[in-house]
Amino acid sequence: SQQGEEDPQALSIQEGENATMNCSYKTSINNLQWYRQNSGRGLVHLILIRSNEREKHSGRLRVTLDTSKKSSSLLITASRAADTASYFCATYRYTGRRALTFGSGTRLQVQP
Amino acid sequence: DAGITQSPRYKITETGRQVTLMCHQTWSHSYMFWYRQDLGHGLRLIYYSAAADITDKGEVPDGYVVSRSKTENFPLTLESATRSQTSVYFCASSDGNEQFFGPGTRLTVL
Repeated sequence: SQQGEEDPQALSIQEGENATMNCSYKTSINNLQWYRQNSGRGLVHLILIRSNEREKHSGRLRVTLDTSKKSSSLLITASRAADTASYFCATYRYTGRRALTFGSGTRLQVQP
Repeated sequence: DAGITQSPRYKITETGRQVTLMCHQTWSHSYMFWYRQDLGHGLRLIYYSAAADITDKGEVPDGYVVSRSKTENFPLTLESATRSQTSVYFCASSDGNEQFFGPGTRLTVL
């Protein structure tokens, strides 16, 4: 079963606009991570937010976490055509093993 | 080359054949993982390993076998391939929270 569910499934915006993707999950977590996947490639880690953090920034990325609502959002500001990719949230919950549970992803298309 | 590599990148096989997908990492990370990626399912964990000679099942382990005799290698074997195992397979490694992914192997079972 999937822990994280992303919303929307697909998003198309113009270059320069902001893109917001949301992730909901079901159980308590230790941290939540966002990954990017370019077409035909492996996933690349973007940012990690711990369960005791509410917001984190990294360059043009802003991640929020609301543990009471079991949800997270990823904001990409001033998007570029190169941001076109699929974005996945992944939750980590310590159960004796270091395994992530991935959502089904949001496909972002940034039009030049 | 440093990093994590997978081979082959593409594989076509027939139902019932045994197939082994290779994964090699140069960081000496303790943890290694195998995922499959299918449309609408995101990534699902098949097997993972916490160290050499330590492996455990993930979410979808049926039909797969793994081994980890050396820290840097984590091969995945489909003992008798089925059409439902057509997928893209990703290997990953980690020594902390962040996972590093290989480029993937696209497997087609006819």
